Amino acid sequence: EVQLVESGGGSVQPGGSLRLSCTASGFTFSSYWMHWVRQAPGRGPVWVSRIRSDGTTTTYADSVKGRFTISRDNAKSTLYLQMNSLRAEDTAFYYCTRDWDSTNVFDNWGQGTLVTVSS
Amino acid sequence: DIVMTQSPDSLTVSLGERATINCKSSQSVFYDFRKKSNLAWYQQKPGQPPKLLIYWASTRESGVPDRFSGSGSGTDFTLTINSLQAEDVAIYYCQQYYDIPWTFGQGTKVEI
Repeated sequence: EVQLVESGGGSVQPGGSLRLSCTASGFTFSSYWMHWVRQAPGRGPVWVSRIRSDGTTTTYADSVKGRFTISRDNAKSTLYLQMNSLRAEDTAFYYCTRDWDSTNVFDNWGQGTLVTVSS
Repeated sequence: DIVMTQSPDSLTVSLGERATINCKSSQSVFYDFRKKSNLAWYQQKPGQPPKLLIYWASTRESGVPDRFSGSGSGTDFTLTINSLQAEDVAIYYCQQYYDIPWTFGQGTKVEI
């Protein structure tokens, strides 16, 4: 069974930083592109970032480019999202998602971790 | 960015009846090479993450009941839930995976 478990969320002041982690199991992590998708309470999902299976290629939404960094450790089956210069509008649940067949369809989602940016 | 617009925002359907949700993209998401539209549908129940239902506009994900069906091509798509069950109460989202950034519709809430 595919499992994705996020951690690292919490409350932070504007301008602060957080590092999210996602531990994967039940599949060959190193074979899949992975994504972060966020969802503000009561809103639709918004794609944030993706990383190639071998970690050599990354892509970001314009809203987070230059502030967020996606990375992975295939030996640990773990995906990361380093978030710097956080803003109030970054407040959301952050989901780790698996990419189905390198199509950018999200076939498995974690339960999410909540990031709250507030003074 | 490709804008995905769903209609209606919410609908109330009786048990056993049909629910129809529409999704329109601001530009075509038809992928000539595959002869398919890069459109997916997700279901999100309260307190849960979204769950993939359909991809390539009409292909059901493994394990998804056959009362869920997708149709459409190009810019106009429909998710149909036949014989609505109580467990189908959720918010449904469409998503295009044709071009970066991958974008979702605003969601359609289905109630009984």
